[in-house]
Amino acid sequence: DIQMTQSPSYLSASVGDRVTITCRAAQTIGRDLTWYQQRQGEAPRLLIYGATSLHSGVSSRFSGGVSGTEFTLIISSLQPEDFATYYCQQSHNTPYNFGQGTKLEIK
Amino acid sequence: EVQLVESGGGVGQPGGSLRLSCTASGFTFDDYSMHWVRQRPGKGLEWVSVISWDGDISYYADSVQGRFTISRDNTENSLYLQMNSLKTDDTAVYYCAKQDGFGFHLDYWGRGTLVTVSS
Repeated sequence: DIQMTQSPSYLSASVGDRVTITCRAAQTIGRDLTWYQQRQGEAPRLLIYGATSLHSGVSSRFSGGVSGTEFTLIISSLQPEDFATYYCQQSHNTPYNFGQGTKLEIK
Repeated sequence: EVQLVESGGGVGQPGGSLRLSCTASGFTFDDYSMHWVRQRPGKGLEWVSVISWDGDISYYADSVQGRFTISRDNTENSLYLQMNSLKTDDTAVYYCAKQDGFGFHLDYWGRGTLVTVSS
């Protein structure tokens, strides 16, 4: 199984801040990495796929990066609706494990 | 508009069974692989299972292998999860999700159905 390690687990930030969330794969997964957003009480929502591709309808504030087995989700200028929990997921091999999540809270 | 609606959740007893359903609309159901993902109360997302567009291929998380069975009925635009030998640890919201046609990412999700395993 491929373990996914997200950091930080919690992140406190203000509206307008730029934030970076990191997800590290335990082995090579190419670009088979997806980012999801989950607001409180809602289903997850697709943000970024293929490590760097923005899903249709998602704000360009969101971007993804990759360097080897380290993946990043960057939110360029936080808006109130961005305070949520973010998950990465690898789709290189089954089981398609998720990271443990990063909860982004308002400072 | 793509819609996925889960049903069948409720209270099950340890060692018992439940069957979840997911009814799809707004897309050509039999063109896409489908997944189940669960979320224990207050916890993160856990991938559970996937089934290919034709139902011929399926995979499971180790935690449910041998106890859960994923299936689909393309004539009814429906996805199922048969859950046997339930454990208290299976208590979670279960989401069905559609896989994108060009990759393995999940582009649409249902609202989920709550399964509680308790005596």
